[in-house]
Amino acid sequence: QGQLHQWGAGLLKPSETLSLSCSVPGGSFSGYSSTWIRQSPGKGLEWIGEITHSGGTNYNPALSSRVTISVDTSKKQLSLTLNSVTAADTAVYYCARGWAAIADWGQGTLVSVSS
Amino acid sequence: DIQMTQSPSSLSASIGDTVTITCRASQGINKFLAWFQHKPGKAPKSLIFAASSLQNGVTSNFSGSGSGTDFTLTISSLQPDDFATYYCQQYKTYPHTFGGGTTIEIK
Repeated sequence: QGQLHQWGAGLLKPSETLSLSCSVPGGSFSGYSSTWIRQSPGKGLEWIGEITHSGGTNYNPALSSRVTISVDTSKKQLSLTLNSVTAADTAVYYCARGWAAIADWGQGTLVSVSS
Repeated sequence: DIQMTQSPSSLSASIGDTVTITCRASQGINKFLAWFQHKPGKAPKSLIFAASSLQNGVTSNFSGSGSGTDFTLTISSLQPDDFATYYCQQYKTYPHTFGGGTTIEIK
C-alpha cells in the first residue's frame, strides 16, 4: 500500500472555503477512484465523496450542496473544496484512492473552524 | 443510506488472543465490504476488500468473511501492533458508509 501526500490550510473562519490537495509520490490518480473522508473529534469516519476513474463524482448527500472533488491530471493532484464551513466541519480530512475499495490513504490534515 | 452497524463498540483482549468483530449492513451489499485499521494520529490502513481479500502487505492473521448483510473480521494471535480501532465500510451503494468502529484495547 502506498501513502498519499496531502496539504492545505488548517485554520479557517466560519463561512470560509476549505481547500485541500493530495498527490501520489511517484504516481497518479489515473485509473483509480479517489475519495475524501473525514473524522470529526471523538467520532468515526465519514465518507465525503469520490471521483471515479472516469471522472464522475458522487457526494455524501449531507454535504453535496457545498462540496466539490476534482482531479487535475496534468498536475496529478486530487482536490477537495468545501464551501461555507462551520465549526461542525472541524475534522481531520483524509484523501484516499483505490480501484473499488480504498487501498491507499493520505496522512490526514486537521482543519479547524473557529472565529 | 445503508447503515453499517459494528459490534462490539469496544473490547479488551490479551496478546495472543483471537478476536472477532461483526459488521451488519441494513440491506444486502453482496461482498462490497472493506475493513480498515486506524490508530490515533495516523493514516488509516486498508486491511481487507471484497469482504475477504487481503490488501497487499497485510499479514495473514487478519481474515474476513461474509456476504449479503453479515460480515466478520477475525484477528488471530493478537500482537501489540493490532491494538487499534477497526472500521468496516460498504462500497456497493452511494454514499459509501462506515460502521461506527470497534476499539480493541489491551486487557
